[in-house]
Amino acid sequence: QVQLQQSGPGLVKPSQTLSLNCNVSGGSISSDNYYWTWIRQPAGKGLEWIGHISTSGSNYYNPSLKSRVTISVDTSKTQFSLNLRSVTAADTAMYYCARGAFTGSAGWVFHYWGQGTLVTVSS
Amino acid sequence: EIVMTQSPVTLSVSPGERATLSCRASQNIRSNLAWYQHKPDQAPRLLIHGASTRASGIPARFSGSGSGTEFTLTISSLQSEDFGVYCCQQYNTWPTFGQGTKVEIK
Repeated sequence: QVQLQQSGPGLVKPSQTLSLNCNVSGGSISSDNYYWTWIRQPAGKGLEWIGHISTSGSNYYNPSLKSRVTISVDTSKTQFSLNLRSVTAADTAMYYCARGAFTGSAGWVFHYWGQGTLVTVSS
Repeated sequence: EIVMTQSPVTLSVSPGERATLSCRASQNIRSNLAWYQHKPDQAPRLLIHGASTRASGIPARFSGSGSGTEFTLTISSLQSEDFGVYCCQQYNTWPTFGQGTKVEIK
């Protein structure tokens, strides 16, 4: 059974970088056709896709966040990471990692999710 | 960006009754729609993809329908464990999600 375990700080100061890790177990992080994804949900709002990295190393980011986001993968550590730069209070949210699968020759569906990390941006 | 709009915001249902949830896309997404169940302090759970295909292990009381811009999730006989928030997601372009419908006990 694939499991995603998140780690990282729950409090980040404004203008700093939010960094989260997601450790993958029960399946290979190098398997083809999976997309290692970050999604967030501000309180009282819907889910927002942040972006992903494929097993081949290609990135795809939400256009509204693209200038501040980097998603990377470390196959030796079986984990992938999110870096979100220059954060503000608007970046306060529950952050989830997920494994995406390309579906219907169209896009990505998320079968496995991490437990979520509440990140608050505050001084 | 494709905007997903769900209705109603809240649905009050008695156990054993049918629940019908709607999701509308701002443009044609064919059948590239998924539904998730999301409970407090839990990760979202994939229910449906391809608008009508149940994910692995999802009970048959969950069914999805629709294509283009109008979609429906039906729970035929609500069980106690089904109460929570349901959200739709389109994957015709980069993924976007609806705001969610909260299914609560009547």
